[in-house]
Amino acid sequence: GDSVTQMEGPVTLSEEAFLTINCTYTATGYPSLFWYVQYPGEGLQLLLKATKADDKGSNKGFEATYRKETTSFHLEKGSVQVSDSAVYFCALLGGSTLGRLYFGRGTQLTVWP
Amino acid sequence: GAVVSQHPSRVICKSGTSVKIECRSLDFQATTMFWYRQFPKQSLMLMATSNEGSKATYEQGVEKDKFLINHASLTLSTLTVTSAHPEDSSFYICSARELQGGTGETQYFGPGTRLLVL
Repeated sequence: GDSVTQMEGPVTLSEEAFLTINCTYTATGYPSLFWYVQYPGEGLQLLLKATKADDKGSNKGFEATYRKETTSFHLEKGSVQVSDSAVYFCALLGGSTLGRLYFGRGTQLTVWP
Repeated sequence: GAVVSQHPSRVICKSGTSVKIECRSLDFQATTMFWYRQFPKQSLMLMATSNEGSKATYEQGVEKDKFLINHASLTLSTLTVTSAHPEDSSFYICSARELQGGTGETQYFGPGTRLLVL
């Protein structure tokens, strides 16, 4: 079945460091891929998405490229800020189960000044 | 992006009472909404899929008589936790599905409701 495997956290970085959070997926059909961010005590906010192979989603300096050959959708940011501290979830919208999102376990990111 | 609201944001109730949580899509119509439960430091657990005008579809292990879902309009779904007990204390999050034609679909999430049952 459809599933997402996400890099275990927590991740701790200094401000302006480079960030990578790995995400790989298993899916039938042609899924869409998402990164969501959750700040403490809040719901999830859509960070970026990609709907087909080789698409690159980007937002607020974050990027992720849909790689079908490696079934990956790694999240990257060139220079993190303290305000980026949050939990990041990789998610897959399966082609076979209408509307159902499959989430990774989440990665806690803490950025120190 | 699209906005989904949830009300209340926080509720404390006594054991045995029922609590209703509302989820609204503010600037788009959502024929499908989802209800999740999140435990501390964990991912989201899908509880049920709410379909406008029809019965909700519950995930395995979720009691439908305990967690009543109503999706009466294209912008509103409600989750009622009936006869709440302390083990029902959790963070409940809804999402609404927006269909976007050529770019597929996206789920937008509400801010969540923190339920504490004493």
